[in-house]
Amino acid sequence: EPEVTQTPSHQVTQMGQEVILRCVPISNHLYFYWYRQILGQKVEFLVSFYNNEISEKSEIFDDQFSVERPDGSNFTLKIRSTKLEDSAMYFCASSVTGTSNTEAFFGQGTRLTVV
Amino acid sequence: GDSVTQMEGPVTLSEEAFLTINCTYTATGYPSLFWYVQYPGEGLQLLLKATKADDKGSNKGFEATYRKETTSFHLEKGSVQVSDSAVYFCALSDPGSARQLTFGSGTQLTVLP
Repeated sequence: EPEVTQTPSHQVTQMGQEVILRCVPISNHLYFYWYRQILGQKVEFLVSFYNNEISEKSEIFDDQFSVERPDGSNFTLKIRSTKLEDSAMYFCASSVTGTSNTEAFFGQGTRLTVV
Repeated sequence: GDSVTQMEGPVTLSEEAFLTINCTYTATGYPSLFWYVQYPGEGLQLLLKATKADDKGSNKGFEATYRKETTSFHLEKGSVQVSDSAVYFCALSDPGSARQLTFGSGTQLTVLP
């Protein structure tokens, strides 16, 4: 069964460093997303991406964040200068369409720890 | 804005007990409603969904009915198993938004043998 894969599963970085979280969405999917979950809190939407453009972003997704689809398979989230409060589980997801009744398929997540 | 309020956890049940996890929502549009499950060490998986009022989503013995009048989508299972131990997330998708999903806070379920 096709699945969304994320790497690495766990990343530890020093405050102020840049990190890139990587995702390989399901191959025929056209819509891509990043969510995050701070420990003990809700899963929060960060950004949606379609046709090589950001479709929507949340207030969390400020200038330190960026997304890219550098080739036909990868979808990345870059955090330019990490802060302690960026420590969270980051989930990538993809869907065939962007309609509200479409299932989004999630990866296993990358746990980011900023020290 | 859209929001999902989910029953606080954790919930601990004995095997074969009846499960209810409450979920209510607020949405500006006419949302689709979902339950996702996260087993230990795994990603979020869709458990069931409902896209219009009075629809019942079902899967693996779990059910939830889209109640527009009470803005609710409570998850139920008649007889839980140890293998159902996981975190359950209620979520909505608003057709007026490209953000796909707004999640509840998640409910940790532990089923004891």
